[in-house]
Amino acid sequence: DVKVTQSSRYLVKRTGEKVFLECVQDMDHENMFWYRQDPGLGLRLIYFSYDVKMKEKGDIPEGYSVSREKKERFSLILESASTNQTSMYLCASSSSGRTNQPQHFGDGTRLSIL
Amino acid sequence: AQSVTQPDIHITVSEGASLELRCNYSYGATPYLFWYVQSPGQGLQLLLKYFSGDTLVQGIKGFEAEFKRSQSSFNLRKPSVHWSDAAEYFCAARAGGSYIPTFGRGTSLIVHP
Repeated sequence: DVKVTQSSRYLVKRTGEKVFLECVQDMDHENMFWYRQDPGLGLRLIYFSYDVKMKEKGDIPEGYSVSREKKERFSLILESASTNQTSMYLCASSSSGRTNQPQHFGDGTRLSIL
Repeated sequence: AQSVTQPDIHITVSEGASLELRCNYSYGATPYLFWYVQSPGQGLQLLLKYFSGDTLVQGIKGFEAEFKRSQSSFNLRKPSVHWSDAAEYFCAARAGGSYIPTFGRGTSLIVHP
């Protein structure tokens, strides 16, 4: 089974802090994704990476950056956290081998910015 | 524009009753289709997927979904709901050749004893 692991289930930070959310997958997937999930808004794509050191902006990249130095790890960075970034963050991965493959999700990080 | 619509924000059913969650998509060609479930505080778990072939797809936890091209729908069903099925359900679609799916906004299932 694919395992996508997010480093923290709950995180509390202060406004202005630099925040790192880490995600690791163990299935050698090429694609990795970061979403945020807010009530009534569903999942919104922040960033997508299809290979090491490659990244593409999603629908809501403002205030975020990402890093993918190794294939298995995809980090989401909040450069200067703000209260409107309080949310549930979900990481996912998928294979590029066949486009009909589904995404596999981590358990999420619930981030609170005070 | 490509879109996925889940018309029902909340659905309430009694335990043991049947369930149908609706999903409609708008794509130029038939996309790959998925249903996910999210239990409180958890990530999304794949219930089932449709790519081609038989229009009735069986998934995990006793769920099934039927693809209807004429209605651009992919509705999720379960004959008898259990209290543990209370969760958020997401329909997703992805065009062939793309790695990025479009998600519906989700339907919250409430199960009464």
